[in-house]
Amino acid sequence: DVKVTQSSRYLVKRTGEKVFLECVQDMDHENMFWYRQDPGLGLRLIYFSYDVKMKEKGDIPEGYSVSREKKERFSLILESASTNQTSMYLCASSLVAGWAYEQYFGPGTRLTVT
Amino acid sequence: AQRVTQPEKLLSVFKGAPVELKCNYSYSGSPELFWYVQYSRQRLQLLLRHISRESIKGFTADLNKGETSFHLKKPFAQEEDSTMYYCALSQGSNYKLTFGKGTLLTVNP
Repeated sequence: DVKVTQSSRYLVKRTGEKVFLECVQDMDHENMFWYRQDPGLGLRLIYFSYDVKMKEKGDIPEGYSVSREKKERFSLILESASTNQTSMYLCASSLVAGWAYEQYFGPGTRLTVT
Repeated sequence: AQRVTQPEKLLSVFKGAPVELKCNYSYSGSPELFWYVQYSRQRLQLLLRHISRESIKGFTADLNKGETSFHLKKPFAQEEDSTMYYCALSQGSNYKLTFGKGTLLTVNP
């Protein structure tokens, strides 16, 4: 059973703080992803990683960075949190194996920046 | 650039009625299409993918390349189908997914 875990379900931070969101998967998946989910906007890809220490920008990378030092762990970093980064953040992982990859999602972290 | 459009933010039907959630895409290559679902208090999960041509929980979806659509259908809606549905597109060997904005389905008793 694939398991993707995220370090916090709820997080409240102040404007300007540095924020770390952690994601761990236990299925030896090559690919990992960070999305933000906002009402009316769906899921938007922030960053993804296809291997350790490899990363690519998604559709909305501004204000975010990522780190992947180990295959199972993918961290999202908000260098200086702002109120417009208040959102639900979803981590996902998938295999690299032909077409039609299923992405497995974590439970999400609801971040509030005040 | 690829795009996924779900024209209905909200869709309401009565129990037992047929339901169709619309999804249109734009992509010049050979797409892979998915429907993801997010039940209350559960994580986002795959409902079905076009390549497997399967029926899950009574739902089916057919890829229509001529109309660039991948509509999700169920002949008889159930109350437990009430939730948020997302259509997603993958560019073949590119493992990124582009999601639509989602449709919230409500099945009334």
